[in-house]
Amino acid sequence: ETGVTQTPRHLVMGMTNKKSLKCEQHLGHNAMYWYKQSAKKPLELMFVYNFKEQTENNSVPSRFSPECPNSSHLFLHLHTLQPEDSALYLCASSQKLGGGGELFFGEGSRLTVL
Amino acid sequence: GQNIDQPTEMTATEGAIVQINCTYQTSGFNGLFWYQQHAGEAPTFLSYNVLDGLEEKGRFSSFLSRSKGYSYLLLKELQMKDSASYLCAVMEDSNYQLIWGAGTKLIIKP
Repeated sequence: ETGVTQTPRHLVMGMTNKKSLKCEQHLGHNAMYWYKQSAKKPLELMFVYNFKEQTENNSVPSRFSPECPNSSHLFLHLHTLQPEDSALYLCASSQKLGGGGELFFGEGSRLTVL
Repeated sequence: GQNIDQPTEMTATEGAIVQINCTYQTSGFNGLFWYQQHAGEAPTFLSYNVLDGLEEKGRFSSFLSRSKGYSYLLLKELQMKDSASYLCAVMEDSNYQLIWGAGTKLIIKP
């Protein structure tokens, strides 16, 4: 059983669709993150949750809506996306927020918006 | 502004040594991380430096100079499986967020 699991691994959606990405961590961590990874660009932090409470929202458009029902699960709800939103979406977790703690990443959900 | 610079791509030969540099300009500093990411896979943690000097871990070593805003990752006895992207990231001390470089794609040739 891997530490951080993301589903689906691949997703193709039209601009009018609604879909969700799911992340689950089995590490007992307290902090969870959503990152966007585009080709040849730095990882972009989207959202941070600490003990289920959202602590960061880095000016992410409202067409991305996160949900953290408990400390083990994180969702990213998607609606009316744009083609430029096509990217790899990575979920990560850490034992605590900051303090030099390493991040454990999932393998990502590859999103293509047509 | 905040900036992390690292080369886009490097090529090295199997069995050789390669050094991947990372320079940073951030408003705060609470440590520097190196991650490895194979194509289509999750980034995985390699090293963390918060004090100046060299940290060695098997074939991989990471160096930090805070006064110069500079770090490098040194890979020895290169193997084909070392072909991957190497990501440099700095943790700011203000909000503990990581600022990432765009990654260095390392290609190992036989």
